Amino acid sequence: NAGVTQTPKFRILKIGQSMTLQCTQDMNHNYMYWYRQDPGMGLKLIYYSVGAGITDKGEVPNGYNVSRSTTEDFPLRLELAAPSQTSVYFCASSFQWHHNSPLHFGNGTRLTVT
Amino acid sequence: KNEVEQSPQNLTAQEGEFITINCSYSVGISALHWLQQHPGGGIVSLFMLSSGKKKHGRLIATINIQEKHSSLHITASHPRDSAVYICAVSRLIQGAQKLVFGQGTRLTINP
Repeated sequence: NAGVTQTPKFRILKIGQSMTLQCTQDMNHNYMYWYRQDPGMGLKLIYYSVGAGITDKGEVPNGYNVSRSTTEDFPLRLELAAPSQTSVYFCASSFQWHHNSPLHFGNGTRLTVT
Repeated sequence: KNEVEQSPQNLTAQEGEFITINCSYSVGISALHWLQQHPGGGIVSLFMLSSGKKKHGRLIATINIQEKHSSLHITASHPRDSAVYICAVSRLIQGAQKLVFGQGTRLTINP
């Protein structure tokens, strides 16, 4: 039982490049989330999904896109990388919505945009 | 003022000491989460609670809904407890449940 798996662990992008952060979970959770963590700040929600085919914006969605074609996968896409997107990204999932269920996190992706 | 305030921001203690980390929030909540972020970066859920007290091994979490305050206690602390501890609250904002995170408390346990 792998839990939540994120790839890659590290990535350096040049300004304007694009990339996809992969996230997959094997717990059959309907709820999945993408967060970013900046130094000295609490985690901020980028996008979330309540099930396959359903996604919605969080607090800081600009510059990102997501898709949820299957229950297991929730990739996060950066289309035109900017230095402001330098951050650590975490994918998480939960069985129910977070006020009823603990969160399971991936190990994070450290992204640097230069 | 942040919605979720943790104190202290940094805490250094000797192995074996009893540790308390505090979390205060300013509005009504549905649930409160305590998370542990290891030095390598991974985040693990320790507790989710909406009332009372929960215990797991050497860790104890309490919440006082009336005072809008939660504490995380670690008994017989060990260097492997060194991590950042994050408090997060689930609350209803504009008809939707939102999760608001504190900035974290960095704990260092020296041998």
